[in-house]
Amino acid sequence: SQTIHQWPATLVQPVGSPLSLECTVEGTSNPNLYWYRQAAGRGLQLLFYSVGIGQISSEVPQNLSASRPQDRQFILSSKKLLLSDSGFYLCAWSAGRSNTEAFFGQGTRLTVV
Amino acid sequence: RKEVEQDPGPFNVPEGATVAFNCTYSNSASQSFFWYRQDCRKEPKLLMSVYSSGNEDGRFTAQLNRASQYISLLIRDSKLSDSATYLCVVNEGLGAGNNRKLIWGLGTSLAVNP
Repeated sequence: SQTIHQWPATLVQPVGSPLSLECTVEGTSNPNLYWYRQAAGRGLQLLFYSVGIGQISSEVPQNLSASRPQDRQFILSSKKLLLSDSGFYLCAWSAGRSNTEAFFGQGTRLTVV
Repeated sequence: RKEVEQDPGPFNVPEGATVAFNCTYSNSASQSFFWYRQDCRKEPKLLMSVYSSGNEDGRFTAQLNRASQYISLLIRDSKLSDSATYLCVVNEGLGAGNNRKLIWGLGTSLAVNP
């Protein structure tokens, strides 16, 4: 069966510090991978998606970047965090075909102080 | 008009009650539909997909009305453990590689009380 791992679960970082969140998927090949952010009391916002190694699409302009160095690894990064980067970050995967549901990692609750 | 709209609630119901949520979507070309459940401070988890003919999974029934562009979720015999936020999701993707077009509603909050 497929599993998705995301870490860390909680993170407190000072403004201006770098960020690296990692997500890995097991039990499937060539998944579509996604990074979402959910701000307090708000809906899920798609930040990045990837349909293959090295292929990243950004949905919204922001202070973050994403990379996919391996088929089942997706990394969310920032060189310098802003207070507004605080939120609940979720990695998700879906099968590499249309109209399928997405499955989420446990999420990382990031607080920038 | 928002792409996917849900009544935010909260819905407060007693145990054993039947509760229904509706969700409307704006893109008539949408291809697939889902209900997710999200517990407080947790990740969303797939509750059920919604098929054109309607589908049932235990106490949960999902319906799709393409003509009116809405999706519904019915929960019968509510349990305390059903308390959560229910997210309506619409996939506008067409063909491989378009899975990114998952459009999420803001969710409907349900509180089942003893």
